[in-house]
Amino acid sequence: DAGVIQSPRHEVTEMGQEVTLRCKPISGHNSLFWYRQTMMRGLELLIYFNNNVPIDDSGMPEDRFSAKMPNASFSTLKIQPSEPRDSAVYFCASSRQGVHQPQHFGDGTRLSIL
Amino acid sequence: GQNIDQPTEMTATEGAIVQINCTYQTSGFNGLFWYQQHAGEAPTFLSYNVLDGLEEKGRFSSFLSRSKGYSYLLLKELQMKDSASYLCAVSKNAGNNRKLIWGLGTSLAVNP
Repeated sequence: DAGVIQSPRHEVTEMGQEVTLRCKPISGHNSLFWYRQTMMRGLELLIYFNNNVPIDDSGMPEDRFSAKMPNASFSTLKIQPSEPRDSAVYFCASSRQGVHQPQHFGDGTRLSIL
Repeated sequence: GQNIDQPTEMTATEGAIVQINCTYQTSGFNGLFWYQQHAGEAPTFLSYNVLDGLEEKGRFSSFLSRSKGYSYLLLKELQMKDSASYLCAVSKNAGNNRKLIWGLGTSLAVNP
């Protein structure tokens, strides 16, 4: 079975540019999570969706960040405009239902903002 | 408030046993997860404890004491491939929903 699929795997762009990260969750999983991981702050939950509806976006840093889930098989995380401090690894994960079930992570997007 | 504490780094020897502790302070506790993350890779699920006691799964076991706000991950017969970061995460009630709070992880180095 295919796992969580993220694209791109790596992204290097200049500050001020728009960045779009994509995620396809595991089929049949109802919950999708976006995380950011850095050495200093560890793994931070940005937002999670249940049945395509955002449930908790309290971790979204600021208005420059937005996330959508137009259907059960696709989600995007956008940063506009991007800043060097946004450089991190961004993971998408999915679970069958909610935070109390094991999450399956994608391989992540390594984002560098110059 | 809410807080999860894990040691930052640990070192152990191949073939030995190591215990990685996690303490937490949170209201509305629901359960506790352990994940393994190899360098440059994504976290992978190891265990989930809801009730007090020990859950054994092959070489790995996880223990929970809800009254003490304490969990540990026990790794037996250590192998070099067990060198990784081990993340503790607590599921808690938050209004009508639940939140998952992550620790910063314990980096385990297994030496020959």
